[in-house]
Amino acid sequence: TQLLEQSPQFLSIQEGENLTVYCNSSSVFSSLQWYRQEPGEGPVLLVTVVTGGEVKKLKRLTFQFGDARKDSSLHITAAQPGDTGLYLCAGAGRGSTLGRLYFGRGTQLTVWP
Amino acid sequence: DTGVSQNPRHKITKRGQNVTFRCDPISEHNRLYWYRQTLGQGPEFLTYFQNEAQLEKSRLLSDRFSAERPKGSFSTLEIQRTEQGDSAMYLCASSYTGEAYEQYFGPGTRLTVT
Repeated sequence: TQLLEQSPQFLSIQEGENLTVYCNSSSVFSSLQWYRQEPGEGPVLLVTVVTGGEVKKLKRLTFQFGDARKDSSLHITAAQPGDTGLYLCAGAGRGSTLGRLYFGRGTQLTVWP
Repeated sequence: DTGVSQNPRHKITKRGQNVTFRCDPISEHNRLYWYRQTLGQGPEFLTYFQNEAQLEKSRLLSDRFSAERPKGSFSTLEIQRTEQGDSAMYLCASSYTGEAYEQYFGPGTRLTVT
């Protein structure tokens, strides 16, 4: 059972375009993380959001945590070829599962020059 | 480099053989996690340690899998009698206890069972 659903699964765009990817769940998480992963490498942490409604910006990337802490979005402005990669969202467990992260399947982004 | 390191990066083995992977976490982190990732999927939690204590194991971790962190520093993950279905990327991550959700991953070990 996939606790986190990411959409779209694949996204192919031209350099300079804007895009948004979504991460949705029916479960509440204590925090939500976004990672980017290159082929053959481990995920690299981009951001953590903790508070419902929180918005964080990282240069051209804007991350938002839903008010109910069940969903999140990642918006990229003026995408560049260097943004190409697999974007993963991960929710942190609560209570007895506090130690684990639950990952979505990811959005594979390709930005063409 | 003070990031998480994993060895080996790649391992090819024949079905039925045993394999062992090593993870060295970020030195100040007392929590260490193991995940498995197959093609087209996000990482799936296997187990985690706080210092040398193994605090949680996923149902994915069958009896053929064992993980240790004997001195609370590096960890090993052993798979006995490997099966083709064990082929995957095995990822290690580490974190502080107080910020357990901020997990930093190593580059992974790619296992191929032939």
